[in-house]
Amino acid sequence: QSALTQPPSASGSLGQSVTISCTGTSSDIGAYNFVSWYQQHPGKAPKFIIFEVSERPSGVPDRFSGSKSGNTASLTVSGLQAEDEADYYCSSYAGGPYVFGTGTRVTVL
Amino acid sequence: EVQLVESGGGWVQPGGSLRLSCAASGLKFDDYAMHWVRQSPGKGLEWVSGISWNSGMKGYADSVEGRFTISRDNAKKMVYLQLNSLRAEDTALYYCAKDPDYVWGKYGMDVWGQGTTVTVSS
Repeated sequence: QSALTQPPSASGSLGQSVTISCTGTSSDIGAYNFVSWYQQHPGKAPKFIIFEVSERPSGVPDRFSGSKSGNTASLTVSGLQAEDEADYYCSSYAGGPYVFGTGTRVTVL
Repeated sequence: EVQLVESGGGWVQPGGSLRLSCAASGLKFDDYAMHWVRQSPGKGLEWVSGISWNSGMKGYADSVEGRFTISRDNAKKMVYLQLNSLRAEDTALYYCAKDPDYVWGKYGMDVWGQGTTVTVSS
């Protein structure tokens, strides 16, 4: 039950895009299309922003998009805004105990 | 509006016990699985436990298996986490979270509470 691997940090300029990777194995990301993403601002609870690899819950802007290739999932934030500066976590169904990614801090330059 | 409110956190000595509670409102509670997720100070999210809508399916992280027990009371719209044999590394903010489905695991957690803090220290 190892955590999924994310880069510790990523950055992008206002209005530009940033993509965060989430690497797992053939037992989790590679086996199922059940990848989710969460956004967490400092001192706040996580917010659900992507499910089933690329689906957005109601109310989440379409600037947030998800994809998957093999054992790696990705979250892209387009048209970066100041409020997108936060920590982002991926997660994946693994047929048993649930697993989160290590987290990526996104900085908006 | 769906709301989850955790309670029961506090300070406890190593080896001690605590019972966390999560009160749900604004939803048909027994339609959904529920989770507990924790976050140690300055660290990432760690899934702790999940329970299906009817308590028929429960799961635990390896780090808490055999020490923590999840349960729910659908009539009261409550989910609980019993923490036994606590260790310093269990110190964290514990979140209650709702699953969009009636069995946990596939879709993630779509609603989160604000958390309750557990501190394990001598």
